[in-house]
Amino acid sequence: AQKVTQAQTEISVVEKEDVTLDCVYETRDTTYYLFWYKQPPSGELVFLIRRNSFDEQNEISGRYSWNFQKSTSSFNFTITASQVVDSAVYFCALRGYSNYQLIWGAGTKLIIKP
Amino acid sequence: KAGVTQTPRYLIKTRGQQVTLSCSPISGHRSVSWYQQTPGQGLQFLFEYFSETQRNKGNFPGRFSGRQFSNSRSEMNVSTLELGDSALYLCASSPNRDLKNEKLFFGSGTQLSVL
Repeated sequence: AQKVTQAQTEISVVEKEDVTLDCVYETRDTTYYLFWYKQPPSGELVFLIRRNSFDEQNEISGRYSWNFQKSTSSFNFTITASQVVDSAVYFCALRGYSNYQLIWGAGTKLIIKP
Repeated sequence: KAGVTQTPRYLIKTRGQQVTLSCSPISGHRSVSWYQQTPGQGLQFLFEYFSETQRNKGNFPGRFSGRQFSNSRSEMNVSTLELGDSALYLCASSPNRDLKNEKLFFGSGTQLSVL
């Protein structure tokens, strides 16, 4: 079975603080793909990053960075110097090679206070 | 380039009725998938279409159905609505055949309320 766990239901920080959103996954597939999406209040999910299971390189994109560790089955997302515009619900998702279905975590609601 | 368009944005129905939701993918995208989002169950995959064929289906009852037209536009239908069908229904499109590692482009969704 495949599963994605985002244990943090809601995180609230003050602007300019760094914040890390956790994502732990389970899959029996040796080839799989991990994703992060952002859902602002408008409702439209926006793609942030994609990682395949053979690429454990961490990635940085501006204030965003991702830490992929197969040893702990985690794919954590860090926002550095958070801004109010980062307020949204963030979803981690998994697609195993054996299944077309995208399995979603429950999401983490991030509130950035000015 | 226009994004994924879903209509209507909001819908109110009563139990027992049926409803049809529409999704127009990004031009050139051939894959369309549908998701249901509720506070209790989160995001759940409904089904995915590619070139007018249903390629994959989630664990939803037969009351939930869909189709895709030759221009890649897609509709989903829910018959005999139940209160539990109240949800945000999201449509997503992607360009290529290999859905597994592709990023999805989402519409803003249709908020369905069943009274």
